[in-house]
Amino acid sequence: EAQVTQNPRYLITVTGKKLTVTCSQNMNHEYMSWYRQDPGLGLRQIYYSMNVEVTDKGDVPEGYKVSRKEKRNFPLILESPSPNQTSLYFCASSSLDISLTNYGYTFGSGTRLTIV
Amino acid sequence: AQKVTQAQTEISVVEKEDVTLDCVYETRDTTYYLFWYKQPPSGELVFLIRRNSFDEQNEISGRYSWNFQKSTSSFNFTITASQVVDSAVYFCALSEDSNSGYALNFGKGTSLLVTP
Repeated sequence: EAQVTQNPRYLITVTGKKLTVTCSQNMNHEYMSWYRQDPGLGLRQIYYSMNVEVTDKGDVPEGYKVSRKEKRNFPLILESPSPNQTSLYFCASSSLDISLTNYGYTFGSGTRLTIV
Repeated sequence: AQKVTQAQTEISVVEKEDVTLDCVYETRDTTYYLFWYKQPPSGELVFLIRRNSFDEQNEISGRYSWNFQKSTSSFNFTITASQVVDSAVYFCALSEDSNSGYALNFGKGTSLLVTP
């Protein structure tokens, strides 16, 4: 089954304790991206990657890091999490071939992160 | 400025009623892509449809239909004979060719409640 897998689904942690949210896709997609969803602010892009070793900032990159060492994986790293990073996080992947009839962004199930 | 406006914050209907969710977008690009996503109470984002700017053909998929009108910059979504399982938050999103990050600009979402 074609899917984007995020882990963990839920995490409660403390300020300053480094954490990583993993994201893996099995569709051989070139493009991957991270979003956060907050009440009243909607969904906003954090980082994206066009291919292996190619990453760039989205709209709200502060406090986050990413890496793309393999095509299928795109982890989101919070080096020193703070309470304002409490949010629902989504990983997404897509082919860059817009001619595909099923072209669209496939999202993971989400990670609900709480920083106390 | 908000690029995607979903003016209806919440809609409540009784099962079997038809309901239309409005989406108005704003872009200067000639090439862009419009999407609808469903977010059920479980939280995941489910891809429903993509429409390219150069394809104004309307689409029907079962009880779902979409009306894309470039003249009014709208991409409305109609659910015919609504069911309780349609209860969810629905997001309209825009991706512009000029955005190097292929970011999805989401509307704030419309929360649909279908009651028996």
